[in-house]
Amino acid sequence: DIQMTQAPSSVSASVGNKVTITCRASQGIGTWLAWYQQRPGQAPKLLIYAASTLQSGVSSRFSGSGSGTDFTLTISSLQPEDFATYYCQQANIFPWTFGQGTKVEIK
Amino acid sequence: EVQLLESGGGLVQPGGSLRLSCAASGFTFSSYAMSWVRQAPGKGLEWVSITDGNGDKTFYADSVKGRFTISRDNSKNTLYLHMNSLRAEDTAVYYCAKTNSLSEQLAINLDHWGQGALVTVSS
Repeated sequence: DIQMTQAPSSVSASVGNKVTITCRASQGIGTWLAWYQQRPGQAPKLLIYAASTLQSGVSSRFSGSGSGTDFTLTISSLQPEDFATYYCQQANIFPWTFGQGTKVEIK
Repeated sequence: EVQLLESGGGLVQPGGSLRLSCAASGFTFSSYAMSWVRQAPGKGLEWVSITDGNGDKTFYADSVKGRFTISRDNSKNTLYLHMNSLRAEDTAVYYCAKTNSLSEQLAINLDHWGQGALVTVSS
């Protein structure tokens, strides 16, 4: 199975800060990668797919990049509603796998 | 508006069985592969299973293979997860999710999610 490793596991940041989360795959997955946001008590929400394509309706302060094994999710200017846990997920090979999550907390 | 509503969760004893349902609306259900994802209490997301739009092709996580079966009834716009030989480690919120493609091989994301159904396996 493909292992997805996110870093950091948690990050503290202030409103307006730029936040970068990385995701590394244990083998190449092309751009078959998605990013999700999960707020406490809520279902996950798709932010980015195909590594860099913004899902319809998602704020442009979210962006994704990368291919192969190394990927990045960037929040350009953190807003109060962005404090949540973020997950990457590979869709290249079954079984699909998620990263362990990165919790973005208020500083 | 896409809506996914899970039902059928509850408390079950180890070794028992349970069937989850996911009622879909707001889109052409038969045109999309569908998936189940679970989340144990306080833990991260774990992908469980996927089926194509016709229900002909299925894939499973190793942790549930041979115990869980995904199926769908396109006439009822409903996705199912049949869970047998349940273990304590199967305790989780189970989410139903829609993919972006008819074919599971071309699916690249889970673009809509239900609110989840809690399954607790305990004696």
